[in-house]
Amino acid sequence: KQEVTQIPAALSVPEGENLVLNCSFTDSAIYNLQWFRQDPGKGLTSLLLIQSSQREQTSGRLNASLDKSSGRSTLYIAASQPGDSATYLCAVGGGAQKLVFGQGTRLTINP
Amino acid sequence: GAGVSQTPSNKVTEKGKYVELRCDPISGHTALYWYRQSLGQGPEFLIYFQGTGAADDSGLPNDRFFAVRPEGSVSTLKIQRTERGDSAVYLCASSLYSGAEQFFGPGTRLTVL
Repeated sequence: KQEVTQIPAALSVPEGENLVLNCSFTDSAIYNLQWFRQDPGKGLTSLLLIQSSQREQTSGRLNASLDKSSGRSTLYIAASQPGDSATYLCAVGGGAQKLVFGQGTRLTINP
Repeated sequence: GAGVSQTPSNKVTEKGKYVELRCDPISGHTALYWYRQSLGQGPEFLIYFQGTGAADDSGLPNDRFFAVRPEGSVSTLKIQRTERGDSAVYLCASSLYSGAEQFFGPGTRLTVL
C-alpha cells in the first residue's frame, strides 16, 4: 500500500527566501507525481505534474524534482512571496490512476 | 466549462438522512474522481470513473456510499443513512484521460449533525 509523507508539516520563512518542500513515498512503482496548493477553505490547484519517466518540471518560480529509486520528490520555490502562503500537497499516482496524498506542508511567508 | 464545479458548496444534514453531491467535470474530460478530505488531512480516494463505468471503487468506505456517472459527464455521489463520521469536504476531480493531470473542484463541505 502506497504511503506518502511530507516534511515539514509546517514552515514559516521571511519573504524573498528560497525554500524546499519534501515528499517521500514508499512504493517506487508510480505512474506520476503531482504537486498542489490549497488555500484555506478552497479546493486544490494543480502546480506541477511529473511523469514517472521525468526527473523534473518547472513552472515560473516553482521547480519539482522526482527521484523514483529513492522514493522522493522536492518542490523548490524561489524568491518566496506572501501570496505563496498556502498548504502544499504532494500526490502520487499509481497504476490504478487514483492519487495518494501526503498530509501537506502548511507554508507561511512573512512580509 | 472553465473548471470543475461542485454543488452544493455546503450541505448540512441530520444523522440518518440521505444526501446527494454533484460534480460537473471539465468538458471533454473522460476520467472523473471523488476524494474525501477531513480537517488537517490530505484527500483520500473514494472512486474513479472512466467514461460511464466505475473503474475503481476501492476507496468507498462502506455500502452506504454510491456514485454514478450515467452519461459519462456529470457524476453524483450518494450517501445513505448519513453518520456524523461522514462529515468532511468531498472533492471531485477530472482529467482528460486516465492518468493525466487531475483538476479539482472547490469541494462540498458536508456536515452531519
